[in-house]
Formats: sequence, C-alpha cells, structure tokens
Amino acid sequence: NAGVTQTPKFQVLKTGQSMTLQCAQDMNHNSMYWYRQDPGMGLRLIYYSASEGTTDKGEVPNGYNVSRLNKREFSLRLESAAPSQTSVYFCASSVERVNQPQHFGDGTRLSIL
Amino acid sequence: QKEVEQNSGPLSVPEGAIASLNCTYSDRGSQSFFWYRQYSGKSPELIMSIYSNGDKEDGRFTAQLNKASQYVSLLIRDSQPSDSATYLCAVNDDKIIFGKGTRLHILP
Repeated sequence: NAGVTQTPKFQVLKTGQSMTLQCAQDMNHNSMYWYRQDPGMGLRLIYYSASEGTTDKGEVPNGYNVSRLNKREFSLRLESAAPSQTSVYFCASSVERVNQPQHFGDGTRLSIL
Repeated sequence: QKEVEQNSGPLSVPEGAIASLNCTYSDRGSQSFFWYRQYSGKSPELIMSIYSNGDKEDGRFTAQLNKASQYVSLLIRDSQPSDSATYLCAVNDDKIIFGKGTRLHILP
C-alpha cells in the first residue's frame, strides 16, 4: 500500500520553464492538497481539491495551476517557473476536507535557477 | 487572520524525560487539531488527532486540548533520541493552518 506517491522526487528547472508535479493516492481519499515548505515559513497551502471535480485556492496560489484528474490523481503545474518557487512541495490527501488528518507524500525538491 | 503559533525551539530534553510541546490557536471555533512529526528532509507524519477537551493518550504520546484557553499540547514520555524532530501543530476545519513547528532535540 503506497499511500501518497509524488513524482519526481527532485527537479532542477531554469527560470521560465514549465513543469508538472504529479501526485497519486491509493487510499480512496476524497480530498487532496498541494503545499510548499520553505525554511522559516512552515507549510503553506497552495491549492486543494475537496472532492473529485473541484479545486480551490489556498494561501499562496499565484504562479500555480492544478488539475484533479480523477479521484486518485492531483497535479500541480508551474507554467513559467521563477526562482521564488524554489521549495519543497508536498502533496497530501485526507478522507474528507474538514476535520480529518492528512497523509503526506515524500515531497518533491524543486530548484529554479 | 487565523493563526497557529508554536515556539520554534530548539527544545532540548534529556533522554528519558518528558518533552512538552505547546501550540496556541486564534480561532475559538476550531474543532479539530493534529500533531505531526517531521524528521529533517522527510515529510510530515501524523502522530495524534484530538477533537475534544481533555487528554488523549497513544503509547508514549499524550495530546491535551483546552478549548477555553485555546491551546493544544503534546507530551512525549520517556523521550528517546529517535524523537528528535520538528513537531507541527495543525488546525483543520474551515481553514487548514499549520504552525511553523517546534524543533525537539533529545539529549542522549
């Protein structure tokens, strides 16, 4: 049982390049999330999907787009990467959006040069 | 602006002692509270969930919730070097808010 799987684990991009971070969960969870974690800033929510077919902005959505492809998969896209987007990105899922604990993937370490 | 506050630490505790981690939150209406442990370079992992006032115990871990005073704490009994990590407090109801974490260092 893999839980939450993120790909890739590491990526280096040049400013202006685009890329998509992939996330899949096999726990039949309804809700999925994307966070970024920066030193001294803690975990910050970028976007979330409360249920299949819905997406909503979190605290820091600018520069990102998301797609809830199906119940299992939730992707995060950087259309034009900027150095300020250098961070560790975590995908998480939970049974429901509210009042439920979240289960995290291993993270993607992204560097933008 | 809803907030979750934690002392950043580091909190140094001798091996075998009780480690006490505290968290305060600003929204009096918050209902669900979580503690996550995060080792350096790893992802957060859930340790405890607590929804009602009082104590909840799971092995060496006890979560304590006091809604009137708007704080939630995590006690780790018989601290081990493997408990050295950053501990994140989170609220997840109408908004999802994580504290910035407390770094815990267990001294052998």
